[in-house]
Amino acid sequence: QKEVEQNSGPLSVPEGAIASLNCTYSDRGSQSFFWYRQYSGKSPELIMSIYSNGDKEDGRFTAQLNKASQYVSLLIRDSQPSDSATYLCAGGVYGNNRLAFGKGNQVVVIP
Amino acid sequence: GAGVSQSPSNKVTEKGKDVELRCDPISGHTALYWYRQSLGQGLEFLIYFQGNSAPDKSGLPSDRFSAERTGGSVSTLTIQRTQQEDSAVYLCASSLARSGEETQYFGPGTRLLVL
Repeated sequence: QKEVEQNSGPLSVPEGAIASLNCTYSDRGSQSFFWYRQYSGKSPELIMSIYSNGDKEDGRFTAQLNKASQYVSLLIRDSQPSDSATYLCAGGVYGNNRLAFGKGNQVVVIP
Repeated sequence: GAGVSQSPSNKVTEKGKDVELRCDPISGHTALYWYRQSLGQGLEFLIYFQGNSAPDKSGLPSDRFSAERTGGSVSTLTIQRTQQEDSAVYLCASSLARSGEETQYFGPGTRLLVL
């Protein structure tokens, strides 16, 4: 089992809609979780970090963490064409400073 | 302040040659990470440095890959006798590596093409 899994295929959403991305993780000791955005040909950039159960909102982005169910999600409200990118979920590896990354989900916002 | 920088931005080499990739982390960041990303794939962890030591080298794919970090700052990833399957984007990231400060900041990457 991979440490962090993102299983959904490419996600197409109309402009203004909500894009919902999910991620599961296997390490119950993980304490920190991150969502990165990666535009084609560019390096990943941090969007959100979340450490506690519940929701964390930052502008149009909301991260949700459920440690009991071992999943993390990202909601993008009022999706814009500029949100079209690949979104990478990452979790801290317990006892180690490295992050485990999922394969990413491609989001396409259709004008 | 300046972000993570990497050089070269692009490297084309012939199979069998050695290459060196450089990473300059954010000033004050004690942790440094190397990842590899092949076309359309996720990030593959290679190695992690805390200061000058590498407590986790588990991701290095073969003994042709090595990395060092000196002065707790700049790191070099060396690939010996390059193979075509080494072609990828090599990303470096750094972090403060304190509890609650694990956010990793990425450099622009080095695009390596082995012919």
